[in-house]
Amino acid sequence: GAVVSQHPSWVICKSGTSVKIECRSLDFQATTMFWYRQFPKQSLMLMATSNEGSKATYEQGVEKDKFLINHASLTLSTLTVTSAHPEDSSFYICSARVTSRLYEQYFGPGTRLTVT
Amino acid sequence: QQQVKQSPQSLIVQKGGISIINCAYENTAFDYFPWYQQFPGKGPALLIAIRPDVSEKKEGRFTISFNKSAKQFSLHIMDSQPGDSATYFCAASGGTGGFKTIFGAGTRLFVKA
Repeated sequence: GAVVSQHPSWVICKSGTSVKIECRSLDFQATTMFWYRQFPKQSLMLMATSNEGSKATYEQGVEKDKFLINHASLTLSTLTVTSAHPEDSSFYICSARVTSRLYEQYFGPGTRLTVT
Repeated sequence: QQQVKQSPQSLIVQKGGISIINCAYENTAFDYFPWYQQFPGKGPALLIAIRPDVSEKKEGRFTISFNKSAKQFSLHIMDSQPGDSATYFCAASGGTGGFKTIFGAGTRLFVKA
């Protein structure tokens, strides 16, 4: 149980275009989902916390107009990278928290974004 | 105060040996301490977690030791195997940060066959 999927697993896009990444909790309902960014050989950096039906809470230094997060249902959250630039190239990982077990987070497999 | 310090940065262990990774925290309000395992190109996977009301938790070859007074916790991997070669992250959550999880910097473990 507690499986989280992400789509796509990797994407290449041209500078200036937008990319949408989906995060789904497959076998449980997740009132809260988190979006992380990870650079090579580094730790996970929390970008934002997304609660179903409300606006996402962004961490300091994360541009909310650039990284649009929508948590439309209890099983789906999306991250849209708008007007992507090469410096946005990274590994993006979502996680979902099991509603009945407040502390446990289950991570998706990640999405590798390359902006050319 | 929200930091979690993890050491060592990298670790090489012989097959069958014990791998030990240490973490320290400052915020005494943290009340959940998970360890995650991450393979290259994959998302982290929850390995084992502990609450501060116990000093040790064991699941198979993985053991967390928790020292509340020292504000330290560690992961012990017994009988380490080449398949354990991965990056391990300690983390902490709870307290004023709510359920936001603070991650350590990670330890790259390599188990030599």
